[in-house]
Formats: sequence, structure tokens, C-alpha cells
Amino acid sequence: GAGVSQSPSNKVTEKGKDVELRCDPISGHTALYWYRQSLGQGLEFLIYFQGNSAPDKSGLPSDRFSAERTGGSVSTLTIQRTQQEDSAVYLCASSPRGGKNNEQFFGPGTRLTVL
Amino acid sequence: GENVEQHPSTLSVQEGDSAVIKCTYSDSASNYFPWYKQELGKGPQLIIDIRSNVGEKKDQRIAVTLNKTAKHFSLHITETQPEDSAVYFCAASIDSGGNEKLTFGTGTRLTIIP
Repeated sequence: GAGVSQSPSNKVTEKGKDVELRCDPISGHTALYWYRQSLGQGLEFLIYFQGNSAPDKSGLPSDRFSAERTGGSVSTLTIQRTQQEDSAVYLCASSPRGGKNNEQFFGPGTRLTVL
Repeated sequence: GENVEQHPSTLSVQEGDSAVIKCTYSDSASNYFPWYKQELGKGPQLIIDIRSNVGEKKDQRIAVTLNKTAKHFSLHITETQPEDSAVYFCAASIDSGGNEKLTFGTGTRLTIIP
């Protein structure tokens, strides 16, 4: 079946502009995660949605970052007033209901470049 | 919160030899330890995981060991092949039956030399 998809695959923007990154999780998956991967670094947790519960925003690095998940499916990560240090690959993952197996299924990521 | 350290950051081995990647974690309550493989241009993919009620798990050429007392776990790849070249991430979380967030290590870039 279809995996996690993300769009755009690449985004180049100018410093100070806002960007929106989209994630389409696997159908039926209740949990959705956003991570940031800077060059040569690990995966930095940003935000986590689980069903209808309030999202865990503890990883968002500043108030310029926000995310929504509409209808329990598609999610959008918004970065306002982008800075050069925001340049990274942004990865989305989803996980099925019943988390005995916590496997997270990752999308291919969106590579963001802030000039 | 949880902190996961991973070593080495880069590793090169001859094809056919074994590779070992090691991770330590800080939160003694963590009980789920997955390993992800990330190939160039793709998202990470789960390759093996272990829970704290076992000390070792094996799946063909890959195995993971866990030492809860010392709070470290390792990935072992035997008879390495060129397609094993990738970045490997360890992670830790508390599996309470829900979808808990993972804390990842910083990754190991494994290169298999033909």
C-alpha cells in the first residue's frame, strides 16, 4: 500500500519568508510525528499528534514553528519568518493504532533551504 | 528526559566482515529500543527492535543486544554486503502501549568496502 508521502520534496526560500510543509500519513495511522534532520545530525523530535489528544509540542524550537493535523489525517508544519538555521530535512512519520509495536513509518522528507 | 548517545559516528568495514554500533541511554524507564536504517535520499526504516524483557534478538544477519543494567544496546551486522551501506540510528522510548515518541541517537554512517 501507499506509504507516508511528503510535499514538496525540496523547498528553497528566502530568509524571512513563511513555508508550509505537508505530510500525508498512512491511512488509518493515528499517530503522526515531525522530526528535523540537520546535515550530519540525528533526528530531532519536533511535535507529535496522537488521535484527538492535544499534540506534544515539546520539541518545537521556537514560536516560529507550528503544526496542525486536520481531520486526524494530513498534517502541515509551518515555519514563519524562516532563518538560515532552519535549513534541514524535515521528516514526517506515522504509526498505527495500538502501539505495542511502536514502529514509525517515515516519509522521504522535505529538504528545506533558506537562503 | 531521555538522552541517547551513539558511537561511532562513521564506520568502514571490508565486505564480509562484521560491523558493531553501540548506543547508551540515560532513562532507566526506557523499555523499547529500535534500530533504523536510512539510505540516501530516503526516510529511516525500522530494521530490528528489542524490548527490555529480552537480552538479544536476531534476524538473519543482524542482531541486537541489550544490557539493561549498564543501559546500553548494540547492533551487530555479520557478513556485511554493499547494500548495508547506510546511516543507522538507534532510539529509545517507554512503550506504555500507546504511541510514544522516540529519542534518537546521532547516527552512524556505515560504509562497506568492496
